[in-house]
Amino acid sequence: GNSVTQMEGPVTLSEEAFLTINCTYTATGYPSLFWYVQYPGEGLQLLLKATKADDKGSNKGFEATYRKETTSFHLEKGSVQVSDSAVYFCALSGTNTGTASKLTFGTGTRLQVTL
Amino acid sequence: GAGVSQSPRYKVAKRGQDVALRCDPISGHVSLFWYQQALGQGPEFLTYFQNEAQLDKSGLPSDRFFAERPEGSVSTLKIQRTQQEDSAVYLCASSSGQGGNQPQHFGDGTRLSIL
Repeated sequence: GNSVTQMEGPVTLSEEAFLTINCTYTATGYPSLFWYVQYPGEGLQLLLKATKADDKGSNKGFEATYRKETTSFHLEKGSVQVSDSAVYFCALSGTNTGTASKLTFGTGTRLQVTL
Repeated sequence: GAGVSQSPRYKVAKRGQDVALRCDPISGHVSLFWYQQALGQGPEFLTYFQNEAQLDKSGLPSDRFFAERPEGSVSTLKIQRTQQEDSAVYLCASSSGQGGNQPQHFGDGTRLSIL
């Protein structure tokens, strides 16, 4: 079955530091890949997505590239801010319709950014 | 509405009681998903609706869990004879299409505590 593995947290960085959160996956076929973010006290929000190999998703300074050869979708940001403190989830879904579109999530990585 | 709405936000019940959790998806969204998120974990799939049809209920942990979406919009997740292990955040998500590349929009969840 499908699975997602994320680096364990928490990740603690100083403001303006470079961020990488590793994500690798196991899936049949050609899944779509997503990063969701959960700010304290809020629901899951889509951060970015990529639907095919070599696609780069980007939003709010975050980027992730769909690497089929390494089955990875690492999240990066060049300069983090305190407001980026949250839990980040990597997820995948199948490209077919219906039941294949359910999301499989990683366990989440907590990011804490300090001044 | 503007987003996915879930109610109640918090629910406390005694072991053995029945509970009902409501999800109001984004207007016009065909697909609706329920997930269960245990503390410190990523969400796990419970069930999926396409309009009023429940196409996948493979993630429901036991026959005490039941979900419906009779008119293809609002959905209710019901848990009968609740147990302590049912304590979790229950998330509802909707998407406009049926394909796996369609992003899912999440509600804020219902935090269920079983005493």
